[in-house]
Amino acid sequence: DVKVTQSSRYLVKRTGEKVFLECVQDMDHENMFWYRQDPGLGLRLIYFSYDVKMKEKGDIPEGYSVSREKKERFSLILESASTNQTSMYLCASRGVVAVYSYEQYFGPGTRLTVT
Amino acid sequence: GEDVEQSLFLSVREGDSSVINCTYTDSSSTYLYWYKQEPGAGLQLLTYIFSNMDMKQDQRLTVLLNKKDKHLSLRIADTQTGDSAIYFCARTSSNTGKLIFGQGTTLQVKP
Repeated sequence: DVKVTQSSRYLVKRTGEKVFLECVQDMDHENMFWYRQDPGLGLRLIYFSYDVKMKEKGDIPEGYSVSREKKERFSLILESASTNQTSMYLCASRGVVAVYSYEQYFGPGTRLTVT
Repeated sequence: GEDVEQSLFLSVREGDSSVINCTYTDSSSTYLYWYKQEPGAGLQLLTYIFSNMDMKQDQRLTVLLNKKDKHLSLRIADTQTGDSAIYFCARTSSNTGKLIFGQGTTLQVKP
């Protein structure tokens, strides 16, 4: 069974703190994605990775960075958390074997509150 | 353009049909998707349709694609309280593997 896990379901951090959000998939997928979800805005892509040590900026990368040292793990880093980064963060993965499908598998999400 | 548009809210009575609509601007999408997000959970793929199809049916779900109008709809027959969730329409972005999501439609099912 396909599985994407995220390190925390709920996280509360202070302004200025460095925050790490971890995502792990067990499907040997090459592609991994980080989104944030805000009411009325849907999902917006922050960063994605085509493979190990590769990363590409998405639509809203400002204030974020990522790390992909191992195939199964994709980390999202908030270098200095700000209140406007309070949001739900969703990780997803996709295998390139699915040539004719772009289905992504999602983790349960991390609800981050920055105070 | 990159926009995928959905209405934000739909309320139906249990047993009725629900129709959730989506419009998009880029006609080059290969696949269009419907994802479901239950409260407190991540997104789960419900169904998808290939761009050369007009309709796809899967049990209670019917997807209609009007390529000319760039309009996608999801019909849920005999809607149940367990169908209450946020439904996201998404399209592929060229060949990058990226998905472009709509804002999500919250479906409320009243008993």
